[in-house]
Amino acid sequence: DGGITQSPKYLFRKEGQNVTLSCEQNLNHDAMYWYRQDPGQGLRLIYYSQIVNDFQKGDIAEGYSVSREKKESFPLTVTSAQKNPTAFYLCASSPGTSGRINEQFFGPGTRLTVL
Amino acid sequence: GEDVEQSLFLSVREGDSSVINCTYTDSSSTYLYWYKQEPGAGLQLLTYIFSNMDMKQDQRLTVLLNKKDKHLSLRIADTQTGDSAIYFCAGPTGNQFYFGTGTSLTVIP
Repeated sequence: DGGITQSPKYLFRKEGQNVTLSCEQNLNHDAMYWYRQDPGQGLRLIYYSQIVNDFQKGDIAEGYSVSREKKESFPLTVTSAQKNPTAFYLCASSPGTSGRINEQFFGPGTRLTVL
Repeated sequence: GEDVEQSLFLSVREGDSSVINCTYTDSSSTYLYWYKQEPGAGLQLLTYIFSNMDMKQDQRLTVLLNKKDKHLSLRIADTQTGDSAIYFCAGPTGNQFYFGTGTSLTVIP
């Protein structure tokens, strides 16, 4: 089955620690995205990548980092510099970045809680 | 960036129609989308409309697009309890995808 997987589903972190969220897709999509979801605020874009070894900051990139060493993988690191990291994190992918090929497919999400 | 606005909450009785509205500022999107999110899950694509269309019907779903007023709506006919979820409108602008704030639909049995 083709799809996007995120792990873990729930993650707990102590203040001051970095943590990495996994996102893998087997859809052969070129583009991948990370969003943060907070209640009543919709989805906000953290980072996106249109091609391997390249990525761009989204609207709220501060305190986060990413890598795109393989087409199918786009891990997100939440660093200790992120002041309010408790949120629901969603990974998405799309075949490309124009027209209908920008249509996004989502993973099941990771809920991060900082203790 | 794009501003996409939706009402936060909507309640309807089972069997009634639901109408979820969305307004946006950037009219350059070729396609506009509606996504559904069930509790604790990712977003699922429900339907989309090409920007040169006014209306699209897909079983119980009807999408209306008013480009002049930059207004998109999603009508769900015969709403069921399984339709309870958060609904997002969305559209691409450049290389990014902008989502509305989401409308939480509650269906009352």
